[in-house]
Amino acid sequence: QVQLQESGPGLVKPSETLSLTCTVSGGSISNYYWSWIRQSPGKGLEWIGYILYTGTTNYNPYLESRVTILLDTSKNQFSLKLTSVTAADTALYYCARQTMTHHGVNWFDPWGQGTLVTVSS
Amino acid sequence: DIQMTQSPSSLSASVGDSVTISCRASQTIYTYLNWYQQKPGQAPQVLIYAASSLESGVPSRFSGSASGTEFTLTISSLQKEDFATYYCQQSYSTPWTFGQGTKVEVK
Repeated sequence: QVQLQESGPGLVKPSETLSLTCTVSGGSISNYYWSWIRQSPGKGLEWIGYILYTGTTNYNPYLESRVTILLDTSKNQFSLKLTSVTAADTALYYCARQTMTHHGVNWFDPWGQGTLVTVSS
Repeated sequence: DIQMTQSPSSLSASVGDSVTISCRASQTIYTYLNWYQQKPGQAPQVLIYAASSLESGVPSRFSGSASGTEFTLTISSLQKEDFATYYCQQSYSTPWTFGQGTKVEVK
């Protein structure tokens, strides 16, 4: 059974870069889409972006100028970098696998447990 | 972006009740609609994908339907473990977007 686990600093200073890693266990990182999603009281659930096992990425346009998602197949990990953070980026950050059928039907499953990142000086 | 609007934002119900949650898309998304359940302190879990397909392992009391841009999640006989927050999510086009959630509380 595939499991995902987020890791990274829980506190980031304003204007700095948020960096998180998602480690995938129990299965290969190949043949799926891998997403980052965040949840905050103010914005609810917000999809940040995905990376395909080929390295192709797709980002939420609202965050695209600040987001980078990378893949490390040797470690079965993918990562998120979000630059120039502000208090508005304070949220619970989830990584998730995205199943995509040949008809384009897709859904997020499973999710990691989430990691809280607070932006504060 | 496609906006997803859920209603109600919260509801109170009792064990055994039938519960219906609605989700409206701001444009056509065909049946590219997923439903998730989130319990306190946990990540969301998919219940239904493609509007009406039940995820493996999800009890059959959960069902989904679609009519145009209106989608419905029905819990036919609410169980204690079903008190949670439910989210719809469109998977038709990026950026994928979620509804604001419906909290099902104990009456």
